[in-house]
Amino acid sequence: DADVTQTPRNRITKTGKRIMLECSQTKGHDRMYWYRQDPGLGLRLIYYSFDVKDINKGEISDGYSVSRQAQAKFSLSLESAIPNQTALYFCATGSLSGIGGELFFGEGSRLTVL
Amino acid sequence: GENVEQHPSTLSVQEGDSAVIKCTYSDSASNYFPWYKQELGKGPQLIIDIRSNVGEKKDQRIAVTLNKTAKHFSLHITETQPEDSAVYFCAASYSGGGADGLTFGKGTHLIIQP
Repeated sequence: DADVTQTPRNRITKTGKRIMLECSQTKGHDRMYWYRQDPGLGLRLIYYSFDVKDINKGEISDGYSVSRQAQAKFSLSLESAIPNQTALYFCATGSLSGIGGELFFGEGSRLTVL
Repeated sequence: GENVEQHPSTLSVQEGDSAVIKCTYSDSASNYFPWYKQELGKGPQLIIDIRSNVGEKKDQRIAVTLNKTAKHFSLHITETQPEDSAVYFCAASYSGGGADGLTFGKGTHLIIQP
């Protein structure tokens, strides 16, 4: 089984609908992240969390919200989806350590907003 | 905040030749520089990283060099093989308080020609 699991893997929805992308991890890591990937733009940070009571905005948080339900679960919500939120979304985890540290990514959730 | 520039966006090399991907960063406080490889349909995976107290690091056919003065770092792949075909991302971060998460470059699509 994958260490970082994202659901759904693919989703097509309509403008204005509420969407939730879920992420769960079995690595026991404290840190969890949501990134968005667009062609030619790389990976951009949406939100991140250091523990259950800690939520932080990233570079592109507008239009998104998150919930850290447990150490192992971190969900991303689009309250009212719009077409320019069509993208590939990645959840990642990392452990608290000294300088830097490896991130472990899920396989991605491809979202299409019509 | 940190800004990471990555070049080229696409790189095509003959199998067996070397490939070099270059990145520059803007924040002199950044001290951790990982490289991630993303194969088709998968999430990015760490292949090598370097910290600011080291100028070069090697792992079999891949190496990374860091020039702190010029604020740039490079990925070198020697004796390229078909399985090296992927998108490569450089990233930079500072760990020691404040904002977390990696700032990624926009990616390089490496194509290995047979």
